[in-house]
Amino acid sequence: DQQVKQNSPSLSVQEGRISILNCDYTNSMFDYFLWYKKYPAEGPTFLISISSIKDKNEDGRFTVFLNKSAKHLSLHIVPSQPGDSAVYFCAASAKEYGNKLVFGAGTILRVKS
Amino acid sequence: DAGVTQSPTHLIKTRGQQVTLRCSPKSGHDTVSWYQQALGQGPQFIFQYYEEEERQRGNFPDRFSGHQFPNYSSELNVNALLLGDSALYLCASRKKGAPGYTFGSGTRLTVV
Repeated sequence: DQQVKQNSPSLSVQEGRISILNCDYTNSMFDYFLWYKKYPAEGPTFLISISSIKDKNEDGRFTVFLNKSAKHLSLHIVPSQPGDSAVYFCAASAKEYGNKLVFGAGTILRVKS
Repeated sequence: DAGVTQSPTHLIKTRGQQVTLRCSPKSGHDTVSWYQQALGQGPQFIFQYYEEEERQRGNFPDRFSGHQFPNYSSELNVNALLLGDSALYLCASRKKGAPGYTFGSGTRLTVV
């Protein structure tokens, strides 16, 4: 039962353009959503998060949008840089579940220079 | 400021053996969680420790057990290893009540 889904296994974007990574969830109890970035041979690194009471959070080149009615969130990276090439994981948590993270399968982002 | 540290970084074990993985949380963090990441998948929650007790458990068999020590460090033990236990094992820590986790670089376990 995949409660968090990232339906695009990979995404290729030209340097300087926008990267949009998508994530869908099924459990309406989730109240906090996070994006992690992972390079090979390293652990996931926290990127940006959003609480369910908000619909947008911005941090520099990274913006996360949350659409609760559609149970959908997206990560926008503008402008994309070659160093952004990594695997991006969407994760969700709920206080009721002890804030454990439920991850999607990840999307491989390749930014071409 | 050291983040989450895990040891060892790599490990090869034979089917049926037992393994212990170790984790030191980030300074100031008191809650430790363990995740298993198989190839091509997202991390899967194993269990979470707080105040030296297992507080939450994911869908993993009893062969997977853990421990948290008074200094908040933690161990993950896996008994009777199966080939399917081959994965990257990630430790994550946070301060109780905070939603965000800091992850270590993981231990790559290979069962042959």
